[in-house]
Amino acid sequence: DIQMTQSPSSLHASVGDSVTITCRASQYINNYLNWYQQRPGKAPKLLIYAASSIHTGVPSRFSGGGSRTDFYLTISSLQPEDFATYYCQQSYETPRTFGGGTKVEIK
Amino acid sequence: QVQLVQSGGEVKKPGASVKVSCKASGSISGISWLRQAPGQGLEWMGWISGPNGKTNYAQKFQGRVTMTTDTSTSTAYMDLRSLRSDDTATYYCARGDYGSGSYYGGFDSWGQGTLVTVSS
Repeated sequence: DIQMTQSPSSLHASVGDSVTITCRASQYINNYLNWYQQRPGKAPKLLIYAASSIHTGVPSRFSGGGSRTDFYLTISSLQPEDFATYYCQQSYETPRTFGGGTKVEIK
Repeated sequence: QVQLVQSGGEVKKPGASVKVSCKASGSISGISWLRQAPGQGLEWMGWISGPNGKTNYAQKFQGRVTMTTDTSTSTAYMDLRSLRSDDTATYYCARGDYGSGSYYGGFDSWGQGTLVTVSS
């Protein structure tokens, strides 16, 4: 199975800050990489697919990039509703696997 | 966008089975099932095709999970047997993905989740 490793596991930031989360795959996955946001008690929501394509309705302050094994998610100008946990997920092969998550908390 | 509505929470004893349903507002092309243990990350359990019932289960769940669909009601089901305490989790159905190979896209619609608690 492909292992997905996210860092950091948590971070503290303020409203208006820019933050970047990284995700590394244990093997080549081209750009078959997706990002999700999950708020407490809620289902995950798709933010970014194919490493850098923004999903319908997602604010433009979210952006993603990378390829092969290394990827990132950037949130520019954090808003109060962005404090949540973020997961990366590979869709290169099955089983689909997720990173361990990055919790973005208010400083 | 397709909406997915799941059945309610369940409490089961170890060794029992649980069947979770997921009703779609439109036709089902393919449904994945995932789970999340309390305070933990997300785990993909498998996928089922709506039109032909083809399945692809994660090896971890092979022999213990059965996924089915009822196209007449646009409902997908996930049956997990021989429950253990570490099966306690919120189970999600999600749309998107072809369930095998490489897929440019993610899970774009999710059910609200079904908490399954396994306890004696």
